[in-house]
Amino acid sequence: EAGVAQSPRYKIIEKRQSVAFWCNPISGHATLYWYQQILGQGPKLLIQFQNNGVVDDSQLPKDRFSAERLKGVDSTLKIQPAKLEDSAVYLCASNQGASGNTIYFGEGSWLTVV
Amino acid sequence: AQSVTQLGSHVSVSEGALVLLRCNYSSSVPPYLFWYVQYPNQGLQLLLKYTTGATLVKGINGFEAEFKKSETSFHLTKPSAHMSDAAEYFCAVSGSGSARQLTFGSGTQLTVLP
Repeated sequence: EAGVAQSPRYKIIEKRQSVAFWCNPISGHATLYWYQQILGQGPKLLIQFQNNGVVDDSQLPKDRFSAERLKGVDSTLKIQPAKLEDSAVYLCASNQGASGNTIYFGEGSWLTVV
Repeated sequence: AQSVTQLGSHVSVSEGALVLLRCNYSSSVPPYLFWYVQYPNQGLQLLLKYTTGATLVKGINGFEAEFKKSETSFHLTKPSAHMSDAAEYFCAVSGSGSARQLTFGSGTQLTVLP
């Protein structure tokens, strides 16, 4: 079974530029998450989707971050304009949904803002 | 609301010694509890989980954890450390409802000394 796929793995951008990360969850997983992990900290939830609907985006900085999951499968997380403090690993994860209690993570997309 | 406290951001043990990583949680609903491991430049890998039933759970790589409701703890142990265990370990809690989200602790970096 293929795992959660993310790309790109690494990205370096200048502040005020934009960046987009892509995630393809495990096949059949209805729930998709984006987490932000700043160096030395635990992951923090940014947004949770159930199919193509948003369940929770309360911690997403909506002035610069956006995310979509238009067809209920893959998802894109965008940052525009980026700030230095956005340097982090962006982890995508997925879960079967109501019947699944394990959340599986991708390898992460490492962002450095200079 | 849920939270996780991991005592000790850095733990060092000698190869062959007992590994004990501490985790205390707070949850307003019956918790599901997880331990994840993160190797350098990689995503999160599930070590073990507690949902319901037996309070002593066994995971991969010889790790186990015991859910103690009275102490609100879920400490991770391994009888004999191996060099390959060096990594960062995260404890996480979620509710048992359908909108399942993980709240992570700040992590414990495990160093194994030869």
